[in-house]
Amino acid sequence: AQRVTQPEKLLSVFKGAPVELKCNYSYSGSPELFWYVQYSRQRLQLLLRHISRESIKGFTADLNKGETSFHLKKPFAQEEDSAMYYCAHISNFGNEKLTFGTGTRLTIIP
Amino acid sequence: GAVVSQHPSRVICKSGTSVKIECRSLDFQATTMFWYRQFPKQSLMLMATSNEGSKATYEQGVEKDKFLINHASLTLSTLTVTSAHPEDSSFYICSARDPSPSTDTQYFGPGTRLTVL
Repeated sequence: AQRVTQPEKLLSVFKGAPVELKCNYSYSGSPELFWYVQYSRQRLQLLLRHISRESIKGFTADLNKGETSFHLKKPFAQEEDSAMYYCAHISNFGNEKLTFGTGTRLTIIP
Repeated sequence: GAVVSQHPSRVICKSGTSVKIECRSLDFQATTMFWYRQFPKQSLMLMATSNEGSKATYEQGVEKDKFLINHASLTLSTLTVTSAHPEDSSFYICSARDPSPSTDTQYFGPGTRLTVL
């Protein structure tokens, strides 16, 4: 089955240190991948998508087809980055069904 | 950005009653809306895809007679949990797809916490 895997449920990083949230996918075609973020007591919101290749809030994610990965990175963590992060992909083009990974809770240590 | 609202934000009901949850796209027309369920400390699980003017498409294992979905307009979809039982207690989240070429993004509602006593 097509899915995304986030191996880390919890990740703690010191403020100012680099952050990498891992995401691997299993998909035989060309995946459309996303990172969503949920801050405390807020709704889920799109952080970035691989097709736009943009940087949002200092985060970037590169699709690595060889490693089937779409890791989320930020060179210098900030306290406001503490949140729940979900990697997601669209399983079937045309109906936009999102399948989410299990999520990683990122905690930035001051 | 676009806004999706849900009502109510939380509801407590007795076992055996039905509960209706509304999902509205406030500033765009959503031909497709999605309903998710999230258990504590777990990820979102897609329940069904709601298309305006047609029947919803349910994911495997989701009872369509239990979770009735109606998408009567381009800005409103409703989820009715019929004959609710304690095991239906969960956090229900909707999303709406803005299909305009400049965005083509799903926007999520704030969620509805259902507690069935």
